[in-house]
Amino acid sequence: AQTVTQSQPEMSVQEAETVTLSCTYDTSESDYYLFWYKQPPSRQMILVIRQEAYKQQNATENRFSVNFQKAAKSFSLKISDSQLGDAAMYFCAYRSADAGGTSYGKLTFGQGTILTVHP
Amino acid sequence: DAGVTQSPTHLIKTRGQQVTLRCSPISGHKSVSWYQQVLGQGPQFIFQYYEKEERGRGNFPDRFSARQFPNYSSELNVNALLLGDSALYLCASSFPTRPSDEQYFGPGTRLTVT
Repeated sequence: AQTVTQSQPEMSVQEAETVTLSCTYDTSESDYYLFWYKQPPSRQMILVIRQEAYKQQNATENRFSVNFQKAAKSFSLKISDSQLGDAAMYFCAYRSADAGGTSYGKLTFGQGTILTVHP
Repeated sequence: DAGVTQSPTHLIKTRGQQVTLRCSPISGHKSVSWYQQVLGQGPQFIFQYYEKEERGRGNFPDRFSARQFPNYSSELNVNALLLGDSALYLCASSFPTRPSDEQYFGPGTRLTVT
């Protein structure tokens, strides 16, 4: 079974600064997908960024980028130029790329990291 | 387009009772997944339904059941409620043709068992 671990329960950053959230995972599979989701207080969870394991190039979405280290099974999220609206709980998640579609619905989440942004 | 909707928003039940939670996916999405999120923790996968068939089940007791209707909406049922069932129940929909496909989450149903 796959596991996802986020070792930072809470992080804080000053507005306009950069912060990195850590995530490690354990799997015996070679093909999979990794995601970062954002869950603002009392609001819906939304996808921030995704990474395909067979792609060596790190994914980037505007101010959000990842550092994907497949051998180390590490998948960190970097938020640049932090904004007050970035304050939320962030979850790292894993999905198997198992063929057939039966696994496409299952995301395995980490425990989450609460990010506070100070003005 | 409307996003994923869930009802009710909040629910308070007593131990031993039964509860039904409802989810309407985004139009065109055929897959619905259910997650349980205990306060302060990450969501835990309960079920996935695709084309009205169960395609995945997490490590939850048989008290938990679900079904998907011809219009792809879904219900999650929990019988013989325990205090530990108190959580935010999330529904997510997708059109799962690829494992990279995004899951879109609803706002959740907050269940409190007293």
